[in-house]
Amino acid sequence: GENVEQHPSTLSVQEGDSAVIKCTYSDSASNYFPWYKQELGKRPQLIIDIRSNVGEKKDQRIAVTLNKTAKHFSLHITETQPEDSAVYFCASRGGFKTIFGAGTRLFVKA
Amino acid sequence: NAGVTQTPKFQVLKTGQSMTLQCAQDMNHNSMYWYRQDPGMGLRLIYYSASEGTTDKGEVPNGYNVSRLNKREFSLRLESAAPSQTSVYFCASSDQGASTEAFFGQGTRLTVV
Repeated sequence: GENVEQHPSTLSVQEGDSAVIKCTYSDSASNYFPWYKQELGKRPQLIIDIRSNVGEKKDQRIAVTLNKTAKHFSLHITETQPEDSAVYFCASRGGFKTIFGAGTRLFVKA
Repeated sequence: NAGVTQTPKFQVLKTGQSMTLQCAQDMNHNSMYWYRQDPGMGLRLIYYSASEGTTDKGEVPNGYNVSRLNKREFSLRLESAAPSQTSVYFCASSDQGASTEAFFGQGTRLTVV
């Protein structure tokens, strides 16, 4: 079946450094790739997304890249801040099913 | 505008008991989903409903049933709860189409003892 692999599972960075999270998907029909941030005890919330006809998208300190040929997509957070500490999930969607990666726990040390 | 509302927020069940998790959305979305979240395993799709009147299995449907009661409501039923179903359950909804954001409810923390 479809699956999404996400790496690393844990990432610790110093405040101000960049963080990169990488995902690989298996379903060739996937055409929508959202990223969600989940703070402790809260619901996942969308932070950025990219569609299959776009290679890169940026929103302030957050950027996402997509390589459809290799079935890879990545999240880049620049100038990290302590409030960026959370669990981040990548996901891929083809049709009506959204499949999530296992998550990356990001720690930003002040 | 409440978004996606789940009830209850917390529940403890004994093995073998049954219960229904309720979910309602007020965004007029066509599609609704149930996920479970376990440590280190992300969000796994249990069942989804692409539109009113339809339901389909996701990645981990065993032990669960769903009902799409109307466009707003999508319930998840555990007929005979097992300790392996201890998890946090999230309901979500999205608009029709392949590339639209999913909005999540606040989650239900279920413990089966």
